Amino acid sequence: NAGVTQTPKFQVLKTGQSMTLQCAQDMNHEYMSWYRQDPGMGLRLIHYSVGAGITDQGEVPNGYNVSRSTTEDFPLRLLSAAPSQTSVYFCATSTRDRATKNIQYFGAGTRLSVL
Amino acid sequence: DAKTTQPTSMDCAEGRAANLPCNHSTISGNEYVYWYRQIHSQGPQYIIHGLKNNETNEMASLIITEDRKSSTLILPHATLRDTAVYYCIVSTNAGNMLTFGGGTRLMVKP
Repeated sequence: NAGVTQTPKFQVLKTGQSMTLQCAQDMNHEYMSWYRQDPGMGLRLIHYSVGAGITDQGEVPNGYNVSRSTTEDFPLRLLSAAPSQTSVYFCATSTRDRATKNIQYFGAGTRLSVL
Repeated sequence: DAKTTQPTSMDCAEGRAANLPCNHSTISGNEYVYWYRQIHSQGPQYIIHGLKNNETNEMASLIITEDRKSSTLILPHATLRDTAVYYCIVSTNAGNMLTFGGGTRLMVKP
C-alpha cells in the first residue's frame, strides 16, 4: 500500500519552462490538496479538490493549474516557471467524512528549483 | 479559522516528557485543535486532534484547557526521532484547508 506518491522527487527548471508535478494515491480518498513550503516557513495551500472533476483555489494559486479527472491522481502544472516558485511541494489526501477530513496524509514532497 | 501562537523552538532531554504549548485564544465553539509534525525534509504527519476533551493515542496526549483558549501536546517519553517541527492548527470540519503556521521546532537531546 503506497499511500501518497509524488514524482519526481527533485526537479530543476529554467525560467519559463513548464512541467507537471504528479501526485497519485491508492487510499481512495476524495480530498486532495497541493501545498508549497518555502525555506523556514509553514505550508501554504495552492489548490485543492473535493472529488473527481472538482477543483478550487487555495491561498496561493497564481502560476499553477490543476485538474482532477480521476480519484487517484491530482497533477499540479506550472505553466511558465518562475524563480519565485522554487519551493518544496507536498500533495495531501483525506477522506470526505466530516469527522476526518482534516486528518491529511502527505506525500514525501517534490523539491523544485527554478533558475 | 482561529490563529494559533506557538513558541519558535524548544529543547527536551531524551526520555523525558515534551510539553508543547499552543495558544488559540480566538477559537470558536466548532473549531477543533489539530497537531501535526514534520520531521526534517519529510511531509507533515498527523498526530492527534480534539474539540474540548483531552485525547490520547499511541503517539501523544492532547490537553485542552477548559476555556479552550490553549492546549498542550505531550510526548510522554521523547526520543531523538521526535525531533521535528510541531504544528498546532485550529480548524472547523466545514472548511477545506488547513493553515500551517510557523510551528515549534522541538529538539530532543541525548
